[in-house]
Amino acid sequence: LAKTTQPISMDSYEGQEVNITCSHNNIATNDYITWYQQFPSQGPRFIIQGYKTKVTNEVASLFIPADRKSSTLSLPRVSLSDTAVYYCLVVQGDSWGKLQFGAGTQVVVTP
Amino acid sequence: EPEVTQTPSHQVTQMGQEVILRCVPISNHLYFYWYRQILGQKVEFLVSFYNNEISEKSEIFDDQFSVERPDGSNFTLKIRSTKLEDSAMYFCASSRSRGQGREKLFFGSGTQLSVL
Repeated sequence: LAKTTQPISMDSYEGQEVNITCSHNNIATNDYITWYQQFPSQGPRFIIQGYKTKVTNEVASLFIPADRKSSTLSLPRVSLSDTAVYYCLVVQGDSWGKLQFGAGTQVVVTP
Repeated sequence: EPEVTQTPSHQVTQMGQEVILRCVPISNHLYFYWYRQILGQKVEFLVSFYNNEISEKSEIFDDQFSVERPDGSNFTLKIRSTKLEDSAMYFCASSRSRGQGREKLFFGSGTQLSVL
């Protein structure tokens, strides 16, 4: 199972772009990279998922280089409501929804 | 957006008592899960459930735990004899499919279980 490493915390101001980089050196061929967001006292919420290159949705972008040993979640123009913990997960192709959460990155957005 | 609903939001129980945590997964989802998060710690996988059977379970999910889908809408987690260390936020989740690593889990807001 690929271990992930991401910063413990990041601070940002409203309106800025936040980029969180996650390393997963031991990612396997059939693994996917998935990011979840968690607010206090709530369950994790799926943000975005990718296998390689770039994925974009209405919330974020995910950049994955060709070697797939890292990924970067990009949150454009953050607001105060983006203050949350962000988890980078490597999900095995044969998982039965067994997600391995790490400590995540606490993002704090201030005015 | 459809939601996973969990009840109750808070449950207080005495050590040794049985508790049942309830969840209503998203209606067209087929795969169901329980996770837990002890205060200040990581979200931990407990069990996955499909077609009325456990698909996978973690080491945490011992004989004190059981899951059931008693009808077409509810999914429950039972802890037979609660311990102090069972105090945690319990999250139910569901997914439409098992997507070879691409499944998107929808989590409920959780039940905060406090064992006294």
